[in-house]
Amino acid sequence: AQTIHQWPVAEIKAVGSPLSLGCTIKGKSSPNLYWYWQATGGTLQQLFYSITVGQVESVVQLNLSASRPKDDQFILSTEKLLLSHSGFYLCAWRDRVFTEVFFGKGTRLTVV
Amino acid sequence: GQQVQQSPASLVLQEGENAELQCNFSSTATQLQWFYQSPGGSLVSLLSNPSGTKHTGRLTSTTVTKERRSSLHISSSQTTDSGTYLCAIDYASSGSWQLIFGSGTQLTVMP
Repeated sequence: AQTIHQWPVAEIKAVGSPLSLGCTIKGKSSPNLYWYWQATGGTLQQLFYSITVGQVESVVQLNLSASRPKDDQFILSTEKLLLSHSGFYLCAWRDRVFTEVFFGKGTRLTVV
Repeated sequence: GQQVQQSPASLVLQEGENAELQCNFSSTATQLQWFYQSPGGSLVSLLSNPSGTKHTGRLTSTTVTKERRSSLHISSSQTTDSGTYLCAIDYASSGSWQLIFGSGTQLTVMP
């Protein structure tokens, strides 16, 4: 069975500090990977997606970047956090487009 | 751009009552999924239903693609059904694929 693990579970970070959020998928080869963001009380927005190692497409950047260094790993990062980065970040995978999407448990980020 | 609209925004039921949630989208969807978001934020896939009717447990989804709408029926609601129900569709724009979410229906089931 496939499992998806996100880390950390929660973070409180200062404005201007760097950030790195991670996501690992086990039990699935070459999944499509996604990062989503949800402001408190807001709608989920897709930030990035990747269909293969080393390739990442940006949908909504929000001054963030993403990388896929390994087949099973997706990283979301920034060098300088903004207050507007606060929210809930979700990683997801699917076999390919038009198939069912599965989400990790998410990371709650508070920027102070 | 692509839009997904859900109604009602919120719904309060007594335990045992049925719920009917609606999702309307602005173009023909190639994939439509219903998700449950817990109060803690985690998302669980409920049903994947691009067209027709699908059942799982107490859930029934009916999607009429040409009318650009989908519904989620929850029968005999339970307090543990409380949370937010989200509808999402696949959308391609300029070679980029997105899963577009609606703003959700917040369901509260009272004991």
